[in-house]
Amino acid sequence: GNSVTQMEGPVTLSEEAFLTINCTYTATGYPSLFWYVQYPGEGLQLLLKATKADDKGSNKGFEATYRKETTSFHLEKGSVQVSDSAVYFCALSEDDYKLSFGAGTTVTVRA
Amino acid sequence: DAGVTQSPTHLIKTRGQHVTLRCSPISGHKSVSWYQQVLGQGPQFIFQYYEKEERGRGNFPDRFSARQFPNYSSELNVNALLLGDSALYLCASSLGPSSYEQYFGPGTRLTVT
Repeated sequence: GNSVTQMEGPVTLSEEAFLTINCTYTATGYPSLFWYVQYPGEGLQLLLKATKADDKGSNKGFEATYRKETTSFHLEKGSVQVSDSAVYFCALSEDDYKLSFGAGTTVTVRA
Repeated sequence: DAGVTQSPTHLIKTRGQHVTLRCSPISGHKSVSWYQQVLGQGPQFIFQYYEKEERGRGNFPDRFSARQFPNYSSELNVNALLLGDSALYLCASSLGPSSYEQYFGPGTRLTVT
């Protein structure tokens, strides 16, 4: 079946540091890939997505590239802010109606 | 416009009881999905409903059931509650059946004692 593995947290960074959260997936076909973010006290929000190999999703300074050869979709941001403190979830969808999520990575950015 | 709303916010039940959770999608959205998020884990897919029909079901026992009403709101029912059912239950809505651009509600925190 489909599954998503993402790096364990928590991750603690200083402001303006570079952030990478690793995500790899297992799927039988060609899934669409997503990053969702959950800010403290809020619901899950779609951060970015990529629907085919080599696509790059980007939003709010975050980027992730769909790498079919390494079955990966790593999330990166060049300069994080305190407001980026949240839980980040990698997810995939292969059959177009359900999302399979990773366990989530908690990121804390210190001023 | 209001986002996805869920009620109640928190709920405490005892083992063996039944619970009903409610979800109102964003206006104009016809698809509702339910997810279970156990503490420290990612959400797990339970159901999707589109145009009042069940479109998909995750690997959950028959104690879990759901329905969608003509106004596209939805209920999730869980019978014979177990301690392991304690979790955050998330509802997500989308315009159509595709999983792209799903909008999640804040969730209902269920505690089973």
